[in-house]
Amino acid sequence: ETGVTQSPTHLIKTRGQQVTLRCSSQSGHNTVSWYQQALGQGPQFIFQYYREEENGRGNFPPRFSGLQFPNYSSELNVNALELDDSALYLCASSGTAVTDTQYFGPGTRLTVL
Amino acid sequence: AQSVTQPDIHITVSEGASLELRCNYSYGATPYLFWYVQSPGQGLQLLLKYFSGDTLVQGIKGFEAEFKRSQSSFNLRKPSVHWSDAAEYFCAVGAYNTDKLIFGTGTRLQVFP
Repeated sequence: ETGVTQSPTHLIKTRGQQVTLRCSSQSGHNTVSWYQQALGQGPQFIFQYYREEENGRGNFPPRFSGLQFPNYSSELNVNALELDDSALYLCASSGTAVTDTQYFGPGTRLTVL
Repeated sequence: AQSVTQPDIHITVSEGASLELRCNYSYGATPYLFWYVQSPGQGLQLLLKYFSGDTLVQGIKGFEAEFKRSQSSFNLRKPSVHWSDAAEYFCAVGAYNTDKLIFGTGTRLQVFP
């Protein structure tokens, strides 16, 4: 039991819409990372938040944005949805040290029509 | 640039047989290496990780992996596979000081009775 939860489980949107995905970190973790996993691919790093500030970003456009709250929960926002945004979105929480394990949530399956 | 290659997209083994999943990485310094497992519709679960020290790493569920710097490899092994091991396996490398994980494309393991 990792303790990382994500909501919603599934989501269907249409092109051009905006979406917000939510993640609740495991107790005691202050770092949250978001990953996009397209069908048949490995997860791709989107960005990471540490103490409410962005702390590293992958090769994703600015329409992917995030927030981390004082209780270390987090949101991933995607504007102007495109068909290629259809994927499983995973969040992972961890402690401060780079050697700390990242614990993944079950993910949110986003389908863009 | 850092990268991870998993040469085998799909592997099929009989229950009770031994297993080796291959992983090769490209990284400029000593890497942090991970193996994760993903069951259908689930998030990622950490099997084992290597940061330093003994190059043979023991993990959960009877898995082990060996870090070979000369071959840039971190292959995952299990002496006797169980039907419940059927899943997708991902090798990942950690970028030092960023906590960002770079994943391979995964190997799907199928187990026949």
